[in-house]
Order: sequence, then structure tokens, then C-alpha cells
Amino acid sequence: SQKIEQNSEALNIQEGKTATLTCNYTNYSPAYLQWYRQDPGRGPVFLLLIRENEKEKRKERLKVTFDTTLKQSLFHITASQPADSATYLCARRNAGNMLTFGGGTRLMVKP
Amino acid sequence: DTGVSQDPRHKITKRGQNVTFRCDPISEHNRLYWYRQTLGQGPEFLTYFQNEAQLEKSRLLSDRFSAERPKGSFSTLEIQRTEQGDSAMYLCASSFLRDKNTEAFFGQGTRLTVV
Repeated sequence: SQKIEQNSEALNIQEGKTATLTCNYTNYSPAYLQWYRQDPGRGPVFLLLIRENEKEKRKERLKVTFDTTLKQSLFHITASQPADSATYLCARRNAGNMLTFGGGTRLMVKP
Repeated sequence: DTGVSQDPRHKITKRGQNVTFRCDPISEHNRLYWYRQTLGQGPEFLTYFQNEAQLEKSRLLSDRFSAERPKGSFSTLEIQRTEQGDSAMYLCASSFLRDKNTEAFFGQGTRLTVV
């Protein structure tokens, strides 16, 4: 089965630093990986999508990379702010467009 | 409101009771998904509809679970004879089948507590 693995330990960083979150997948490379943000008690919110033939995608302070050799995607938040504190979920799209999610990584940005 | 709406937001029920949740997707979206999320985990796929047709169900979806999407608009998820293990956040998402670059829009979820 296709699995998505994210570091379950919370990531604590200082405001202004770059946060880097890791997403690893098993078996064959997904055609797309998606990243979502989830705040406590709320549904996930879509952030970025990256295709397997794209090495990097950017949106404002966010950057996602996709390395099919390492079977890994990295999610970066530059100049992090306390408001960026949330859980970040990585997901691969399967047939039918349903998503297989990783367990998420909680990011805490301290002022 | 143009987002995905779920009702109720919270539900507390006694073990053995039946519960029903409702999801109103974004109106032009033809695909609707149900996920379940427990604390500290990512959402797990339960089932999805394209228009009114239920196209796939996860093996997580026991016989006590049933979902409908009459007329391809809103959807309901019913859990019969609830068990404590059913306690979770139930998330609904919708998307529009346009191309493969389709993000999912999630509702706020229904948190179920079975006591």
C-alpha cells in the first residue's frame, strides 16, 4: 500500500527562521503531492501542489520540493511567524482524486 | 458562504445510538469525500461520490456506516450502533473534476464523541 510518512515530533523554531518539514513516501512516486495546513479543531486548508516533474514550487513565503530519487518532499516556510504555527499535512493523490495523508507535523513558531 | 459546510460541528452520543452528519459541498463541485481523523493522525479516506454515485468505499467503512448523496448535492453519513472507537472528527471535502490538479476543499468537520 502507498504510505506517506511525516515526522510526528513537533518542530519548534524561532520567529524569523526557516521551517523545514519532511514528507516521505513509499513505493512508486505519486504524480502529485499536496500540502495542507490544519489548525486545531478545523479542517485542512490547501496550500500547494507539486507534480513529480517539478523540482520546486513557490508561493509567497512557502516553497515545496519534490525529489523522486529520495522519495521525499520538503516544505519550507521562510521568515516564519507565530501565525504559521499549525499542523502541516502532506498528501498524495490516488485514483479518484482521494488523498492519502501523512500523520502531519506540528509546527510551533515562538516569538 | 461559498465553503464546504458540515452540520453539526459537535455531537455527543451514547454507545449504541445512531448518528447522522450532513455535508453541503461547494455548489459547483461534483466530487464529495468523507474522511475520518483521530487525534494526532492525518485524515483517513472513507468514501467518495461523483455526483450522486458512490464510487469507492474504504475497508475502514464497516457495515455500520452508510453514506448517501441524493441528487448529487448534499451528502449524509450515518453511523449505526455507535461504538467508542467511532469517536473522531469526520471531515467532508469537495472538489471539481476538471483536471488532475484538483485541490480538495474541506469543511470544518463534525467531532463525534461516543460515551
